[in-house]
Amino acid sequence: DAGVIQSPRHEVTEMGQEVTLRCKLISGHNSLFWYRQTMMRGLELLIYFNNNVPIDDSGMPEDRFSAKMPNASFSTLKIQPSEPRDSAVYFCASSRGSGNTEAFFGQGTRLTVV
Amino acid sequence: AQSVTQLGSHVSVSEGALVLLRCNYSSSVPPYLFWYVQYPNQGLQLLLKYTTGATLVKGINGFEAEFKKSETSFHLTKPSAHMSDAAEYFCAVIEAGANNLFFGTGTRLTVIP
Repeated sequence: DAGVIQSPRHEVTEMGQEVTLRCKLISGHNSLFWYRQTMMRGLELLIYFNNNVPIDDSGMPEDRFSAKMPNASFSTLKIQPSEPRDSAVYFCASSRGSGNTEAFFGQGTRLTVV
Repeated sequence: AQSVTQLGSHVSVSEGALVLLRCNYSSSVPPYLFWYVQYPNQGLQLLLKYTTGATLVKGINGFEAEFKKSETSFHLTKPSAHMSDAAEYFCAVIEAGANNLFFGTGTRLTVIP
């Protein structure tokens, strides 16, 4: 298996533009996590899906952020409009969802909003 | 609510010395506990995990951790540090019966030659 695949690896965009980050889960996994990593705040859980359903989105910072799972193997995280403070590394992770199994992380998307 | 505390955002050890990275959790029930490692410009990789059973768990690269319920701790150790161990280490917790994975703030390990 290729592991969790995120795209793009790097994104530079201008303030106000829409940004879409993509994630392909590992086959057979049914839980999906989006995290944001910054120097100031560390790793923050943004949203968590189980079986395509958002279970906990309390970490989503604002209405500018939205996440979807259009199917069991794919997810998007959209920021619209983007702001410089959204600059961070965004990680996607998937797991089999039984709680005691490990989450496998993608390589991350480094987002820079200028 | 879950929380994870990692004492020391930076730890430096000499090559060959003991590595000790501290992690304490708060949970109303014994949780599942994890240690992840992150190398520069990489995602996180699982080092080891505790779910049930033996409280001393061994992971990859010679690391191990002990779950101590009385101390609500899950400290990570390695007897002898290697240069390749330099990375950032994250303790994480899932409350039993849940799936949300919450991370501590991380500890950056530097190994001095």
